[in-house]
Amino acid sequence: DVKVTQSSRYLVKRTGEKVFLECVQDMDHENMFWYRQDPGLGLRLIYFSYDVKMKEKGDIPEGYSVSREKKERFSLILESASTNQTSMYLCASSSRAPGNTIYFGEGSWLTVV
Amino acid sequence: AQSVTQLDSHVSVSEGTPVLLRCNYSSSYSPSLFWYVQHPNKGLQLLLKYTSAATLVKGINGFEAEFKKSETSFHLTKPSAHMSDAAEYFCVVSDPPTGGYNKLIFGAGTRLAVHP
Repeated sequence: DVKVTQSSRYLVKRTGEKVFLECVQDMDHENMFWYRQDPGLGLRLIYFSYDVKMKEKGDIPEGYSVSREKKERFSLILESASTNQTSMYLCASSSRAPGNTIYFGEGSWLTVV
Repeated sequence: AQSVTQLDSHVSVSEGTPVLLRCNYSSSYSPSLFWYVQHPNKGLQLLLKYTSAATLVKGINGFEAEFKKSETSFHLTKPSAHMSDAAEYFCVVSDPPTGGYNKLIFGAGTRLAVHP
């Protein structure tokens, strides 16, 4: 089974702090994604990566950056956390095969106070 | 542009009765369509997907969905609800792959409640 692991399930951070959310997948997938989930808004894509050191902005990249130094690991960085970044963050991965399924981690709940 | 509309934000059924979760999409292409389920405090799990093969797609846990191009719909059904089906369900449409990446467009979700 594909496993996408988000190491931090619940975090509480202060406004202005730098926050790292880590994600690891074990299926040698080329594509990795970070989504944000908010009530009534569904999932919105923040950033994705299609290869090591490669990244593309999603729909809501402002206030976020990402890092992909190794194929299995994709990090989301909040340079200076703000209260409007309080949310559930979901990491996902997929292969490049046509009709490919995207596999999700269990999510990281971030509260910024 | 691709979009997906889940017609009900909440659905409530009794255990043992049928489930219908409605989804309409708009697409300029031949879409791939997915249903994902999310249980409380969990990530999203794939229930089923349609990728231009059979229009009736069977998924896990007894769920199925029918792709109807003329109605631009992809409704999710189950003949008999179980308490463990209580969760949030997301209908998802996918752009055609570009460079090996298919961008997913998520509906806002339907919360399914199952009563004894």
